[in-house]
Amino acid sequence: GAGVSQSPSNKVTEKGKDVELRCDPISGHTALYWYRQSLGQGLEFLIYFQGNSAPDKSGLPSDRFSAERTGGSVSTLTIQRTQQEDSAVYLCASSLNGDRTDTQYFGPGTRLTVL
Amino acid sequence: GNSVTQMEGPVTLSEEAFLTINCTYTATGYPSLFWYVQYPGEGLQLLLKATKADDKGSNKGFEATYRKETTSFHLEKGSVQVSDSAVYFCARGKAAGNKLTFGGGTRVLVKP
Repeated sequence: GAGVSQSPSNKVTEKGKDVELRCDPISGHTALYWYRQSLGQGLEFLIYFQGNSAPDKSGLPSDRFSAERTGGSVSTLTIQRTQQEDSAVYLCASSLNGDRTDTQYFGPGTRLTVL
Repeated sequence: GNSVTQMEGPVTLSEEAFLTINCTYTATGYPSLFWYVQYPGEGLQLLLKATKADDKGSNKGFEATYRKETTSFHLEKGSVQVSDSAVYFCARGKAAGNKLTFGGGTRVLVKP
């Protein structure tokens, strides 16, 4: 079956605009994660979904960041009023059920550039 | 706090050399430990994992042993190839939801 897919692969936006990033997890995976990868901060956890609920949002850097998941499948990460420091590669991962032994499978990422 | 520390790169080696990348972690409880690899132009992929103390993960000639007493998960390969050139990330899972905390990554360059 298909792996984790993300769209768009690249997004260039102007400071102050809103952006939406999409993630399609592996079919049947109940756990979904968002991370971001930047030169200065490395790989950071943002948010974790189990089904449609988000029991752990501790990594969201500010209230400009939000995410939702519908139908236990697709997830959207929204960044409002983007800032230059939001420039990064946003990675989505999914795993079977979020168990401590689970493997997380990563998508190719969305490279966000805020001008 | 909870963190993962791995040696900084870049690490430059000749083909067939021995590779070690050190990784230590702090955590409460007994997290699962992972090594992920990112080849040039590609996404993150799991290299190996270990889910309890003394477990050894292995894949593609790489090995790492979960050492609870030293809180370490060092990655080793006995004879590297040019195709092993990549960035390697050590990661620790958290029990509730298994969110991953990553080390800073180690870039490895293998020269022919």
